[in-house]
Amino acid sequence: DAMVIQNPRYQVTQFGKPVTLSCSQTLNHNVMYWYQQKSSQAPKLLFHYYDKDFNNEADTPDNFQSRRPNTSFCFLDIRSPGLGDAAMYLCATSRGGLDRNYGYTFGSGTRLTVV
Amino acid sequence: GDSVTQMEGPVTLSEEAFLTINCTYTATGYPSLFWYVQYPGEGLQLLLKATKADDKGSNKGFEATYRKETTSFHLEKGSVQVSDSAVYFCALTLIQGAQKLVFGQGTRLTINP
Repeated sequence: DAMVIQNPRYQVTQFGKPVTLSCSQTLNHNVMYWYQQKSSQAPKLLFHYYDKDFNNEADTPDNFQSRRPNTSFCFLDIRSPGLGDAAMYLCATSRGGLDRNYGYTFGSGTRLTVV
Repeated sequence: GDSVTQMEGPVTLSEEAFLTINCTYTATGYPSLFWYVQYPGEGLQLLLKATKADDKGSNKGFEATYRKETTSFHLEKGSVQVSDSAVYFCALTLIQGAQKLVFGQGTRLTINP
C-alpha cells in the first residue's frame, strides 16, 4: 500500500544533542509537511517542501530545520533539543496545487522525548 | 486569516448515544473541509471530507455536511461505540499552492459502556 512512513516511532534524545527524524512516502506527492503536536493539542505546522522549495512558517524556531534530498524522503533536524521540544512529530504529504480531490496523508508520527 | 473553531471538550457520552461535535470555519477562499481522528498514541487518520458546498462526507457511521451559508461542518453519529473514543479535529484547506491544513483545537470524546 502507498503510504507515509516515519522512523523511528519513538525517539529519546538528550538535552542539547542533535536529533533527526525521518519520513518517507511512496505516494509520489509533491508536498511534504512537518507538524509538531503537543499533548493532544492541534498539530502545528513547522514547514513544508513543495517539490524542492522549502517554506518555513514564520513562528518556527531556528532550532528546527528540514531536508528533502529527493521526492520520497524528508528529514526533520532539531539542532539542540530542549525540554519544550518533546512532542509528537507528524509528517504528511499531499499532491498540492489545484487538485480538490487530493489525498492528504499522515504518517503514524514520531514521539520525541528529551531527557 | 483562515481559522477553524470546534466545540470545546471533553465530551463524555454513553454507548449508543447520539453525537454532535460542532465545527465552524472562517476562510478567505473556498476551502475543502475535513474531520480527522486521532486515537491514543497514534497519528492522524482522515475520517471524512467534503470538497464543495452541500457535500456530505461519511465514513464509519459518521457524517458531516458542508454548509456554506452557516460556514459549518458539524460531525454527527447516530449511535456511538466505546471504540469511537478519540480526539477529533476539524480542519480546512484552501485548494491552492501547498494546501496547508488549518486545524481546530480538537475535541476529546470518551464513550462509556
